[in-house]
Amino acid sequence: NAGVTQTPKFQVLKTGQSMTLQCAQDMNHEYMSWYRQDPGMGLRLIHYSVGAGITDQGEVPNGYNVSRSTTEDFPLRLLSAAPSQTSVYFCASRFSSGNTIYFGEGSWLTVV
Amino acid sequence: RKEVEQDPGPFNVPEGATVAFNCTYSNSASQSFFWYRQDCRKEPKLLMSVYSSGNEDGRFTAQLNRASQYISLLIRDSKLSDSATYLCVVNRGNYQLIWGAGTKLIIKP
Repeated sequence: NAGVTQTPKFQVLKTGQSMTLQCAQDMNHEYMSWYRQDPGMGLRLIHYSVGAGITDQGEVPNGYNVSRSTTEDFPLRLLSAAPSQTSVYFCASRFSSGNTIYFGEGSWLTVV
Repeated sequence: RKEVEQDPGPFNVPEGATVAFNCTYSNSASQSFFWYRQDCRKEPKLLMSVYSSGNEDGRFTAQLNRASQYISLLIRDSKLSDSATYLCVVNRGNYQLIWGAGTKLIIKP
């Protein structure tokens, strides 16, 4: 009963490095998304996908790439990390017609 | 002005008391509304959806006022375990969920 699994939980990057946050769900959800959460702000949508092979930009997509080659996986790539990308990242999924969003446990990313 | 606004708190409330907080939204075309709960350093989890007629789930009551564009959450007989941050979420359609920054609630023994 894994739900949404995201890794790593903690990561420190140097400015300019690239990395990928992994996200997998085993609930056969069509919709998957990535959010970032910063102090004093609501969750902000980075990218989302409504199915395999389909992705779209959210509110704050700059500096991030995504792909959705399978229903289960939705990795988030930081192309060239910047200190402004220091944040907590959450992967989430749900059925397209569903109201309940299931979140991963979060990834704490620090860019120095 | 943020599209979804919440009082950040914290609300410090004695155990057993009733507490209520509101969330205002600016987009009148918003379609559906939710309250999520987030514990410290954890992921958000759905607390309840908010229906036009108001709805109740145990000690929790949610209300929607479309005319004034706000939703509310009432917690009765508060428990220590209710301490958390409560996030207001507004669905404005087309896969766009707008999240409030949250209201922090601290229940004191």
